[in-house]
Amino acid sequence: GESVGLHLPTLSVQEGDNSIINCAYSNSASDYFIWYKQESGKGPQFIIDIRSNMDKRQGQRVTVLLNKTVKHLSLQIAATQPGDSAVYFCAENPRRALTFGSGTRLQVQP
Amino acid sequence: DTAVSQTPKYLVTQMGNDKSIKCEQNLGHDTMYWYKQDSKKFLKIMFSYNNKELIINETVPNRFSPKSPDKAHLNLHINSLELGDSAVYFCASSQEGAANEKLFFGSGTQLSVL
Repeated sequence: GESVGLHLPTLSVQEGDNSIINCAYSNSASDYFIWYKQESGKGPQFIIDIRSNMDKRQGQRVTVLLNKTVKHLSLQIAATQPGDSAVYFCAENPRRALTFGSGTRLQVQP
Repeated sequence: DTAVSQTPKYLVTQMGNDKSIKCEQNLGHDTMYWYKQDSKKFLKIMFSYNNKELIINETVPNRFSPKSPDKAHLNLHINSLELGDSAVYFCASSQEGAANEKLFFGSGTQLSVL
């Protein structure tokens, strides 16, 4: 499944499916992008980051894609598991601190 | 060992009171931050300190005063609390404070002003 935008939409997927979470960032001067996962009652946890000289970066079960032309970032999670249920945030660095988008809630159905 | 720890976890208080939130990091990082997360989950930078020096001070009411006694600690004192201050406050740290570094977050302090 996919979700778009900087609101707090909910993406609901079946366990085992792939998830795609999208983010439109705002500042063309940003050269560093990062995805965080926030579980209920916890602080944001780093998932993966990418610099603007790259289009794609892969981690364990996660891939980040960057399209600078349209200022779009996506996070792909392979074989989504119940433990992936959380709010996911993208962030960019237009200034000296990370600026966060408003997040997407991912719900994984067993 | 918790890398970034903040206390208390929950803080319930009356309007007009003064309260403090403490933060400590044991990562040896040079830079620490305070972020505020509102009820819609939006995370916004408030302050950052690099080696005890204030680097970022967003448009935050002067009722909020950060204090960094050393580079491992960044406390947040709030005077004359208002209803709108209710939120979750996150402390974070990064290695050098460069714009292209990841942040390590604490588990948050949920502040409720009644």
